[in-house]
Amino acid sequence: SQQGEEDPQALSIQEGENATMNCSYKTSINNLQWYRQNSGRGLVHLILIRSNEREKHSGRLRVTLDTSKKSSSLLITASRAADTASYFCATWGDMRFGAGTRLTVKP
Amino acid sequence: EAQVTQNPRYLITVTGKKLTVTCSQNMNHEYMSWYRQDPGLGLRQIYYSMNVEVTDKGDVPEGYKVSRKEKRNFPLILESPSPNQTSLYFCASSPQGAYEQYFGPGTRLTVT
Repeated sequence: SQQGEEDPQALSIQEGENATMNCSYKTSINNLQWYRQNSGRGLVHLILIRSNEREKHSGRLRVTLDTSKKSSSLLITASRAADTASYFCATWGDMRFGAGTRLTVKP
Repeated sequence: EAQVTQNPRYLITVTGKKLTVTCSQNMNHEYMSWYRQDPGLGLRQIYYSMNVEVTDKGDVPEGYKVSRKEKRNFPLILESPSPNQTSLYFCASSPQGAYEQYFGPGTRLTVT
Protein backbone atom coordinates (compact mmCIF):
# COMPACT_ATOMS: atom_id res chain seq x y z
CA SER A 1 0.00 0.00 0.00
CA GLN A 2 1.13 3.54 -0.63
CA GLN A 3 2.49 5.42 2.34
CA GLY A 4 2.81 8.93 1.00
CA GLU A 5 -0.11 10.67 -0.65
CA GLU A 6 0.41 13.99 -2.37
CA ASP A 7 -2.11 16.78 -2.62
CA PRO A 8 -3.15 18.29 -4.96
CA GLN A 9 -2.96 15.77 -7.77
CA ALA A 10 -2.36 18.59 -10.24
CA LEU A 11 -1.33 22.21 -9.90
CA SER A 12 -1.06 24.87 -12.59
CA ILE A 13 0.58 28.25 -11.91
CA GLN A 14 2.26 31.15 -13.68
CA GLU A 15 5.99 31.60 -13.81
CA GLY A 16 7.21 33.54 -10.78
CA GLU A 17 4.48 32.27 -8.47
CA ASN A 18 5.09 29.93 -5.57
CA ALA A 19 3.97 26.30 -5.68
CA THR A 20 3.02 24.33 -2.58
CA MET A 21 2.51 20.59 -2.53
CA ASN A 22 1.51 18.50 0.43
CA CYS A 23 2.20 14.95 1.45
CA SER A 24 0.48 12.86 4.08
CA TYR A 25 1.61 9.50 5.38
CA LYS A 26 0.30 6.87 7.74
CA THR A 27 3.00 5.32 9.91
CA SER A 28 6.12 6.36 11.79
CA ILE A 29 9.01 7.31 9.59
CA ASN A 30 12.77 7.65 9.73
CA ASN A 31 12.85 10.34 7.07
CA LEU A 32 10.79 11.78 4.25
CA GLN A 33 12.15 12.52 0.80
CA TRP A 34 10.93 14.57 -2.14
CA TYR A 35 11.66 13.66 -5.74
CA ARG A 36 10.99 15.22 -9.13
CA GLN A 37 10.18 13.33 -12.32
CA ASN A 38 10.19 14.84 -15.77
CA SER A 39 7.75 13.12 -18.12
CA GLY A 40 8.50 9.40 -17.99
CA ARG A 41 12.11 9.80 -16.93
CA GLY A 42 13.86 8.59 -13.80
CA LEU A 43 13.18 10.34 -10.53
CA VAL A 44 15.65 12.88 -9.22
CA HIS A 45 16.14 13.37 -5.51
CA LEU A 46 15.42 16.89 -4.29
CA ILE A 47 15.61 16.96 -0.53
CA LEU A 48 15.55 14.68 2.51
CA ILE A 49 14.17 15.71 5.89
CA ARG A 50 14.71 13.57 8.96
CA SER A 51 11.98 12.82 11.46
CA ASN A 52 13.62 15.06 14.09
CA GLU A 53 13.77 18.04 11.71
CA ARG A 54 10.92 20.47 11.15
CA GLU A 55 12.12 22.53 8.20
CA LYS A 56 14.80 22.32 5.56
CA HIS A 57 15.86 24.56 2.70
CA SER A 58 17.69 23.90 -0.54
CA GLY A 59 17.89 26.75 -3.02
CA ARG A 60 14.31 27.63 -4.00
CA LEU A 61 12.94 24.60 -2.15
CA ARG A 62 11.55 24.64 1.35
CA VAL A 63 10.31 21.48 3.02
CA THR A 64 8.46 21.23 6.30
CA LEU A 65 7.64 18.15 8.30
CA ASP A 66 4.99 17.79 10.98
CA THR A 67 5.27 14.33 12.50
CA SER A 68 2.30 14.92 14.81
CA LYS A 69 0.08 15.40 11.77
CA LYS A 70 2.04 12.92 9.65
CA SER A 71 2.38 15.49 6.90
CA SER A 72 4.98 17.36 4.89
CA SER A 73 4.91 20.21 2.43
CA LEU A 74 7.18 21.21 -0.41
CA LEU A 75 7.31 24.86 -1.38
CA ILE A 76 8.95 25.93 -4.63
CA THR A 77 9.46 29.68 -4.68
CA ALA A 78 9.65 31.87 -7.79
CA SER A 79 8.74 28.96 -10.03
CA ARG A 80 10.09 28.60 -13.56
CA ALA A 81 8.81 26.79 -16.63
CA ALA A 82 11.62 24.27 -16.07
CA ASP A 83 10.00 23.28 -12.76
CA THR A 84 7.17 21.65 -14.73
CA ALA A 85 7.28 18.03 -13.60
CA SER A 86 5.69 15.53 -11.25
CA TYR A 87 6.71 15.67 -7.63
CA PHE A 88 6.65 12.70 -5.29
CA CYS A 89 7.15 12.24 -1.60
CA ALA A 90 8.59 9.02 -0.26
CA THR A 91 8.82 7.86 3.30
CA TRP A 92 11.51 5.73 4.81
CA GLY A 93 10.38 3.29 7.34
CA ASP A 94 9.69 1.36 4.18
CA MET A 95 10.43 3.11 0.90
CA ARG A 96 6.95 4.05 -0.27
CA PHE A 97 5.96 6.70 -2.78
CA GLY A 98 2.75 8.58 -3.31
CA ALA A 99 1.03 9.01 -6.68
CA GLY A 100 2.58 12.45 -7.12
CA THR A 101 1.56 16.04 -7.85
CA ARG A 102 1.71 17.13 -11.45
CA LEU A 103 2.99 20.73 -11.52
CA THR A 104 2.64 22.86 -14.64
CA VAL A 105 4.35 26.25 -14.69
CA LYS A 106 3.15 28.46 -17.53
CA PRO A 107 5.62 30.96 -19.01
CA GLU B 1 30.00 9.52 -14.19
CA ALA B 2 28.01 8.17 -11.26
CA GLN B 3 24.92 6.51 -12.61
CA VAL B 4 22.39 3.71 -12.59
CA THR B 5 21.93 2.01 -15.93
CA GLN B 6 19.08 -0.20 -17.08
CA ASN B 7 18.75 -2.36 -20.14
CA PRO B 8 16.80 -2.59 -22.28
CA ARG B 9 15.10 0.80 -22.23
CA TYR B 10 12.13 -0.46 -24.24
CA LEU B 11 10.86 -4.01 -24.58
CA ILE B 12 7.83 -5.52 -26.26
CA THR B 13 7.31 -9.20 -25.58
CA VAL B 14 4.64 -11.88 -25.55
CA THR B 15 2.92 -13.57 -22.65
CA GLY B 16 4.99 -16.32 -21.08
CA LYS B 17 8.35 -15.50 -22.64
CA LYS B 18 10.93 -15.17 -19.88
CA LEU B 19 12.83 -11.91 -19.76
CA THR B 20 15.46 -10.15 -17.69
CA VAL B 21 15.90 -6.44 -17.17
CA THR B 22 19.40 -5.59 -16.04
CA CYS B 23 20.35 -2.89 -13.56
CA SER B 24 23.85 -1.77 -12.72
CA GLN B 25 25.26 1.01 -10.54
CA ASN B 26 28.83 2.29 -10.33
CA MET B 27 28.59 4.08 -6.98
CA ASN B 28 29.37 1.14 -4.69
CA HIS B 29 25.92 1.48 -3.15
CA GLU B 30 24.70 -1.18 -0.77
CA TYR B 31 20.98 -0.68 -1.29
CA MET B 32 19.21 -1.39 -4.58
CA SER B 33 15.54 -1.54 -5.44
CA TRP B 34 13.07 -2.13 -8.25
CA TYR B 35 9.85 -0.18 -8.75
CA ARG B 36 7.05 -0.20 -11.21
CA GLN B 37 5.14 2.91 -12.14
CA ASP B 38 1.57 2.81 -13.37
CA PRO B 39 -0.72 5.77 -14.10
CA GLY B 40 -2.48 6.98 -10.99
CA LEU B 41 -0.65 4.54 -8.72
CA GLY B 42 2.73 6.20 -8.37
CA LEU B 43 5.75 4.02 -7.78
CA ARG B 44 5.34 0.69 -6.10
CA GLN B 45 8.30 -1.26 -4.82
CA ILE B 46 8.75 -4.75 -6.24
CA TYR B 47 11.89 -6.01 -4.49
CA TYR B 48 14.81 -4.48 -2.69
CA SER B 49 18.25 -5.52 -1.54
CA MET B 50 20.10 -4.17 1.47
CA ASN B 51 23.36 -5.79 0.38
CA VAL B 52 24.88 -8.65 -1.60
CA GLU B 53 22.92 -11.90 -1.27
CA VAL B 54 20.18 -10.14 0.73
CA THR B 55 16.86 -9.51 -1.01
CA ASP B 56 13.37 -8.79 0.30
CA LYS B 57 9.91 -8.42 -1.13
CA GLY B 58 8.38 -5.03 -1.59
CA ASP B 59 4.70 -4.29 -2.02
CA VAL B 60 4.14 -6.02 -5.38
CA PRO B 61 6.58 -8.95 -5.73
CA GLU B 62 4.23 -11.46 -7.38
CA GLY B 63 5.46 -12.57 -10.80
CA TYR B 64 8.99 -11.19 -10.31
CA LYS B 65 12.33 -12.54 -9.18
CA VAL B 66 15.59 -10.80 -8.36
CA SER B 67 19.11 -11.73 -7.43
CA ARG B 68 22.04 -9.83 -5.94
CA LYS B 69 25.20 -11.81 -6.55
CA GLU B 70 27.38 -8.74 -6.98
CA LYS B 71 27.12 -5.36 -5.34
CA ARG B 72 26.76 -3.45 -8.60
CA ASN B 73 24.09 -5.58 -10.33
CA PHE B 74 20.46 -6.23 -9.46
CA PRO B 75 18.60 -7.89 -12.36
CA LEU B 76 14.81 -8.17 -12.45
CA ILE B 77 13.49 -11.43 -13.86
CA LEU B 78 10.01 -12.09 -15.17
CA GLU B 79 9.75 -15.86 -15.52
CA SER B 80 6.38 -15.84 -17.29
CA PRO B 81 5.30 -12.29 -18.11
CA SER B 82 1.63 -11.44 -18.31
CA PRO B 83 -0.14 -8.37 -19.74
CA ASN B 84 -0.73 -6.95 -16.25
CA GLN B 85 3.03 -6.55 -15.95
CA THR B 86 3.01 -3.98 -18.72
CA SER B 87 4.49 -0.98 -16.96
CA LEU B 88 7.38 1.44 -16.59
CA TYR B 89 10.10 -0.08 -14.43
CA PHE B 90 12.76 1.78 -12.47
CA CYS B 91 15.85 0.54 -10.72
CA ALA B 92 17.34 2.65 -7.96
CA SER B 93 20.32 2.53 -5.64
CA SER B 94 21.30 4.22 -2.41
CA PRO B 95 24.43 4.25 -0.21
CA GLN B 96 22.34 2.61 2.47
CA GLY B 97 18.64 2.03 2.91
CA ALA B 98 17.56 5.30 4.48
CA TYR B 99 19.46 7.64 2.17
CA GLU B 100 18.40 9.36 -1.03
CA GLN B 101 17.99 7.07 -4.02
CA TYR B 102 19.50 7.41 -7.46
CA PHE B 103 17.23 6.23 -10.22
CA GLY B 104 17.92 4.65 -13.55
CA PRO B 105 16.29 5.99 -16.74
CA GLY B 106 13.51 3.42 -16.74
CA THR B 107 12.48 0.42 -18.84
CA ARG B 108 9.15 0.54 -20.62
CA LEU B 109 7.82 -3.00 -20.87
CA THR B 110 4.83 -4.07 -22.93
CA VAL B 111 3.53 -7.62 -22.65
CA THR B 112 1.04 -8.66 -25.33
